[in-house]
Amino acid sequence: EVQLVESGGGLVQPGGSLRLSCAASGFTFSDHYMDWVRQAPGKGLEWVGRIRNKANSYTTEYAASVKGRFTISRDDSKDSLYLQMNSLKTEDTAVYYCGRLNTGSGYVPYWGQGTLVTVSS
Amino acid sequence: DIQLTQSPSFLSASVGDRVTITCRASQGVSSLVAWYQQKPGKAPKLLIYAASTLQSGVPSRFSGSGSGTEFTLTISSLQPEDFATYYCQQLNSYPITFGGGTKVEIK
Repeated sequence: EVQLVESGGGLVQPGGSLRLSCAASGFTFSDHYMDWVRQAPGKGLEWVGRIRNKANSYTTEYAASVKGRFTISRDDSKDSLYLQMNSLKTEDTAVYYCGRLNTGSGYVPYWGQGTLVTVSS
Repeated sequence: DIQLTQSPSFLSASVGDRVTITCRASQGVSSLVAWYQQKPGKAPKLLIYAASTLQSGVPSRFSGSGSGTEFTLTISSLQPEDFATYYCQQLNSYPITFGGGTKVEIK
């Protein structure tokens, strides 16, 4: 069974940093591209970014709203995905979900339960 | 960036109703569209991908259609468990974008 478990959320001051983790199990993590998506309280879904697999050089894509501040990485030896968030703004407050793409497509049938990040002074 | 406009943003319907949600893209996205269902406090659930392909395990009352710039999600007979918010998503180009959502509530 595919499982994705996010952790690392919490309260952080504006300008601060936080690192989210996503622990994967039930599939061959190294084969798959992975996404981060977020949802601000009471708002819709917003795609944050993507990391490809080793075969595609671990390249990344980002939304304009986080580019230059957020970094997606992965450790295939630990079956883990990360989201390093720097220079946090109040508008980054959201539940952050990690998702696993289907092989060969951009569709995401598997998501974690989410972790809440609150940016506030 | 490709903008996705969903309509309506809110829909009130009864059990057994046929419901149609529209998603319009600001430029062509081929058939690279997915539809998700989300319930409060839960992760999104993939319903439809490639505009019209039903994700495994999703009831057949859900269907999708469209290509280019206009897409629809149809629920043929609304069930109590279908009351939720629905989002379209385009994967044609980066950045990937979502529609604003359609909340389906009980009439």
